[in-house]
Amino acid sequence: NAGVTQTPKFQVLKTGQSMTLQCAQDMNHEYMSWYRQDPGMGLRLIHYSVGAGITDQGEVPNGYNVSRSTTEDFPLRLLSAAPSQTSVYFCASSYSRGGPQHFGDGTRLSIL
Amino acid sequence: KQEVTQIPAALSVPEGENLVLNCSFTDSAIYNLQWFRQDPGKGLTSLLLIQSSQREQTSGRLNASLDKSSGRSTLYIAASQPGDSATYLCAVRLLRRAGGTSYGKLTFGQGTILTVHP
Repeated sequence: NAGVTQTPKFQVLKTGQSMTLQCAQDMNHEYMSWYRQDPGMGLRLIHYSVGAGITDQGEVPNGYNVSRSTTEDFPLRLLSAAPSQTSVYFCASSYSRGGPQHFGDGTRLSIL
Repeated sequence: KQEVTQIPAALSVPEGENLVLNCSFTDSAIYNLQWFRQDPGKGLTSLLLIQSSQREQTSGRLNASLDKSSGRSTLYIAASQPGDSATYLCAVRLLRRAGGTSYGKLTFGQGTILTVHP
């Protein structure tokens, strides 16, 4: 039972590079979301999805894109990495809008 | 805007003590509240989820209470152990409708860093 799987676990990028953070869940959850966790700021919602083909913005969406072509996968794309995007990124899923959130182990991203 | 505050920011106790972690929120119109545990370098593990209609939830040595009217929740840990050392986060879920979809936005507190020493 894998739960929520995030790859890669660690990544270092140069300013201006692009990359995709992968998130997959095997629980058939409709609701998926991306958070970033920063010291002193707590966890903040970047983007979320309520089902395949449906996404919406959270609190801090600028600089990030998402898509949801399948129930299982919810990738997060950084279009042009900036040092301000250095953070730990968490993907989460839940079976319903009010259900308990299940988190992945995170991707630790550094932008130089 | 919903704001979630956790007190204390850090807590250090000897093994065996009972302890209480506090979480307060500014908007009492919540859908539910969830307590998480986060170990260093790891993701969040869900501990307890309390629906807005409930007063408390229990799991093993953990008990979480909810008082919506006062905007507060507490997490009670009985007979603490060194393995309980972690950061504890509370998160409040609101209902929001936008563009035909609905989603409960989760707002997190900053967390309480708990250290239980032998």
